[in-house]
Amino acid sequence: EDQVTQSPEALRLQEGESSSLNCSYTVSGLRGLFWYRQDPGKGPEFLFTLYSAGEEKEKERLKATLTKKESFLHITAPKPEDSATYLCAVRHGSSNTGKLIFGQGTTLQVKP
Amino acid sequence: DAGVIQSPRHEVTEMGQEVTLRCKPISGHDYLFWYRQTMMRGLELLIYFNNNVPIDDSGMPEDRFSAKMPNASFSTLKIQPSEPRDSAVYFCASNPGTSGRGRNEQYFGPGTRLTVT
Repeated sequence: EDQVTQSPEALRLQEGESSSLNCSYTVSGLRGLFWYRQDPGKGPEFLFTLYSAGEEKEKERLKATLTKKESFLHITAPKPEDSATYLCAVRHGSSNTGKLIFGQGTTLQVKP
Repeated sequence: DAGVIQSPRHEVTEMGQEVTLRCKPISGHDYLFWYRQTMMRGLELLIYFNNNVPIDDSGMPEDRFSAKMPNASFSTLKIQPSEPRDSAVYFCASNPGTSGRGRNEQYFGPGTRLTVT
């Protein structure tokens, strides 16, 4: 059964304290792994898509990496505005635009 | 672009009442998705459409839920009759599909927070 597990559930960091969020997945024939950011009361906001092991993508203080079993979202020198819930999802199905299966998310709090 | 538009943003209704949620996808996007988000179950796909045609509705919880997409710029999710366990945030998302950059990326609306008492 296709599954996505994110860890930790919650993470508290001091401003400037770098860390990583983990997304482990089990899916037959990965057709894309996606990272989203969700702020309270808002819809998920797209961050990155990764398609193959070894691929990396960066945006400001965020860097996403992918292996055959997991993905990491590295946060370098975070700021309070990086506080949000980060969701990981994998594409499911034979269609290129099929279902996304989402993890439960990691809630990040960055204190000044 | 205004992004995905959903209405209403908040809905409070009594058990047994009919609820209709509305969505306007991003212009030119071929795919539209309806999700439900709760603390217990996270973000779940309910149904998705391609070119206005329902492709997969296996996530629709039961017959009380129905969704339509009469044209490329409008979709509804209806719950009749509503029950307290339907209380959740419902999101609509759209995806360019085979056209445009980022064809596999889903863009979410702000959501409708539904409370059934």
